[in-house]
Amino acid sequence: DIQMTQSPSTLSASLGDRVTITCRASQSVSSWVAWYQQKPGEAPKLLIYKASTLESGVPSRISGSGSGTEFTLTISSLQPDDFATYYCQQYNKMWTFGQGTRVEIK
Amino acid sequence: QVQLVESGADLVKPGGSLRLSCAASGFDFSDHSMAWIRQAPGTGLEWISFISHSGRTIYYAESVKGRFIVSRDNAKNSLYLQMNSLRDEDTAIYYCVRSPLRVAAYFDSWGRGSLVTVSS
Repeated sequence: DIQMTQSPSTLSASLGDRVTITCRASQSVSSWVAWYQQKPGEAPKLLIYKASTLESGVPSRISGSGSGTEFTLTISSLQPDDFATYYCQQYNKMWTFGQGTRVEIK
Repeated sequence: QVQLVESGADLVKPGGSLRLSCAASGFDFSDHSMAWIRQAPGTGLEWISFISHSGRTIYYAESVKGRFIVSRDNAKNSLYLQMNSLRDEDTAIYYCVRSPLRVAAYFDSWGRGSLVTVSS
């Protein structure tokens, strides 16, 4: 099974901050990585697929990069709507999620 | 507008069975692969089952293999998850999710989720 390890588990940041979340795969998953945002009491929402392609309607302050085993999700300027939990997911071989990164207000 | 609505959630005793349904609308259901993903209380996301657009290709996570059965009825725009031999650790919110393609990929639409509680 492919393991996805996210870091950090929790991130405290202020409005306007640039934040980066990292996801490492236990073996190469090429670019087959998606990122999701989940707010309390809601279903996850797709943000990025194929490592760096922004889903329609997702603000451009959110971006993704990486390939192989290392991937990042970056929010260039944190907005109130961005405080949430973020999950990476590989879909190269079956599907595996990272454990999540909670972005909280500093 | 894509809509996925889960139903069938309940409180069930360990060893019991339950069938979840997912009603899809707003898109051509037969053109998309589907999956079930669950989230135990306060924890992360776990993929548990996948079914291709035709229903001919099916995969299960090891945690549910041999106990859960996924199926679909394209004529009724519906996805199902038959859950047998339920365990305490199956307690979770179960999400019906859509792949944007016929082939296995990421998941672009999610239902609101349905809480299954397994407890004596």
